[in-house]
Amino acid sequence: EAGVAQSPRYKIIEKRQSVAFWCNPISGHATLYWYQQILGQGPKLLIQFQNNGVVDDSQLPKDRFSAERLKGVDSTLKIQPAKLEDSAVYLCASSLVGRSPLHFGNGTRLTVT
Amino acid sequence: AQSVTQLGSHVSVSEGALVLLRCNYSSSVPPYLFWYVQYPNQGLQLLLKYTSAATLVKGINGFEAEFKKSETSFHLTKPSAHMSDAAEYFCAVSELNTGFQKLVFGTGTRLLVSP
Repeated sequence: EAGVAQSPRYKIIEKRQSVAFWCNPISGHATLYWYQQILGQGPKLLIQFQNNGVVDDSQLPKDRFSAERLKGVDSTLKIQPAKLEDSAVYLCASSLVGRSPLHFGNGTRLTVT
Repeated sequence: AQSVTQLGSHVSVSEGALVLLRCNYSSSVPPYLFWYVQYPNQGLQLLLKYTSAATLVKGINGFEAEFKKSETSFHLTKPSAHMSDAAEYFCAVSELNTGFQKLVFGTGTRLLVSP
């Protein structure tokens, strides 16, 4: 089966600019996650979707981050405006319902200068 | 809230030596536990999972982990390290929040394998 697809792989922007990341989950996976992985740390959940509804966005900095999952398939994560501390790898993952394992994409490495 | 603690940000072993990566969890309910591996510039790949069945779990690439409730531990082992095992390893615990799974990760352990 095809894996979780993410684009772009790398992005360099200046602070206060905007950026968007795209994720296409594994076909049939109802649950989609966005994680932020800062260098030297474990991934931290930003937002979790079940189909096109938000299950958990408690750790999403809503003043600058937004995410959507239209039609319950692809998802977009946006940062506007970016700060230096947003430099990280943004990982998208998907899973079937329940406690099935997460499948991760290769991530987007964001550098904010 | 559930959490995991990984002891040792770096572990160095020689090729052919035993690999032991430590993970302790905190959970108020029976946990589901996972080990993931991350190679450079890649996403996380599932190594193995514990889902309340057998306490000794075997995964891919010769890795296994044992769930010990009395010690709240889920350490990852491999009898003989290979150069290709060099990577970052993450332990994770699954919360079940309103019926939906939320995975909480540890800070990771980087495994270094020398010839």
